[in-house]
Amino acid sequence: GDSVTQMEGPVTLSEEAFLTINCTYTATGYPSLFWYVQYPGEGLQLLLKATKADDKGSNKGFEATYRKETTSFHLEKGSVQVSDSAVYFCALRNTNAGKSTFGDGTTLTVKP
Amino acid sequence: DTGVSQDPRHKITKRGQNVTFRCDPISEHNRLYWYRQTLGQGPEFLTYFQNEAQLEKSRLLSDRFSAERPKGSFSTLEIQRTEQGDSAMYLCASSLAALGSTAFDTSGANVLTFGAGSRLTVL
Repeated sequence: GDSVTQMEGPVTLSEEAFLTINCTYTATGYPSLFWYVQYPGEGLQLLLKATKADDKGSNKGFEATYRKETTSFHLEKGSVQVSDSAVYFCALRNTNAGKSTFGDGTTLTVKP
Repeated sequence: DTGVSQDPRHKITKRGQNVTFRCDPISEHNRLYWYRQTLGQGPEFLTYFQNEAQLEKSRLLSDRFSAERPKGSFSTLEIQRTEQGDSAMYLCASSLAALGSTAFDTSGANVLTFGAGSRLTVL
């Protein structure tokens, strides 16, 4: 079945550091890929998405590129802020499938 | 629209009791999902509806769990004879499903909008 593997956390960075959170997936067909973010005390919300190979999703300074050859969708940001502290979830939804499959999340803490 | 609403936000119950959670999705969304999330884990799929039809149910879902969406709007998730292992955050999400089937979903469809969750504690 479909699965998503995220790098283990937690990740602690200083403000303005470069961020990478790795995500790889296993799926048949042509899945859409997503990053969701959960800020403290809030529900999950979409951060960015990509729907086909080589697409780049971007939002709020975060980027991720759909790499079919390496089955990866790594999240990057060039300069993190304290306000980026949250839990980040990588997810996929397979073509014509109803459900989305999530990774276990990576907790990011950014210190001033 | 105020987004996806879930009620109650917190529920504490004794083992063996029944509990029911309610979810009100975004009104234009035709799909409604239930997920369960435990500490340190990602959301785990339970079931989903398209309009009033329940289209998929996780094989891991015990028969003590039942979900309904009688008029294609709000949904309820009932857990009968609760066990301590049922303690978790129960998440509801909704989406607008793309009509027809396409190899590449380039629309905004199928992006999940989550509610804040209903936290269940079984003593």
